Amino acid sequence: NAGVTQTPKFQVLKTGQSMTLQCAQDMNHNSMYWYRQDPGMGLRLIYYSASEGTTDKGEVPNGYNVSRLNKREFSLRLESAAPSQTSVYFCASSDRKDSKFNQPQHFGDGTRLSIL
Amino acid sequence: AQTVTQSQPEMSVQEAETVTLSCTYDTSESDYYLFWYKQPPSRQMILVIRQEAYKQQNATENRFSVNFQKAAKSFSLKISDSQLGDAAMYFCAYKGGNEKLTFGTGTRLTIIP
Repeated sequence: NAGVTQTPKFQVLKTGQSMTLQCAQDMNHNSMYWYRQDPGMGLRLIYYSASEGTTDKGEVPNGYNVSRLNKREFSLRLESAAPSQTSVYFCASSDRKDSKFNQPQHFGDGTRLSIL
Repeated sequence: AQTVTQSQPEMSVQEAETVTLSCTYDTSESDYYLFWYKQPPSRQMILVIRQEAYKQQNATENRFSVNFQKAAKSFSLKISDSQLGDAAMYFCAYKGGNEKLTFGTGTRLTIIP
């Protein structure tokens, strides 16, 4: 059972470099999300996509862009990486039941990103 | 905006004992959902238990149960018969009438053999 797959698992970048984090889910979920996790701050929402073709900002969108390529894939791009973007990034997906947002989110294993 | 507060950064419990992790939240919505996630050292985020606000009965999943106090906006997690594999970060999370999930800052649980 693949679930939510993130690539890569680890990455080191230099300040100013660009990079795209990839995420794919095989559960036919409509909604997908990108979070960052920093020590002592829990998970914070960067961007989310409620359905194919739509994206919306979360709590901390600055410095990031996203693309919902199709129903399965949702990528996160850092155009010009900064040390403040050093973090662990999680992708997640979920669906609705009876038009309610009551379903849990399923998470990938995370990407540890270091910006030097 | 909704907020989720976990006031215990760290907790410890003897193996086989019971521990309760606290969570409070702030919302003006009447229909919402609450979750506890576990994050072991492997970094995976694993759903432990969930509660729908309109249900008065507290959710249970084997050794895990919640004490949901809607009026007090409290959602604590009780782990019975603690096992070494329960050692992890535990996050409380809130989802209201939209797609967004709001997390608390987490509680690190240590199991003492």
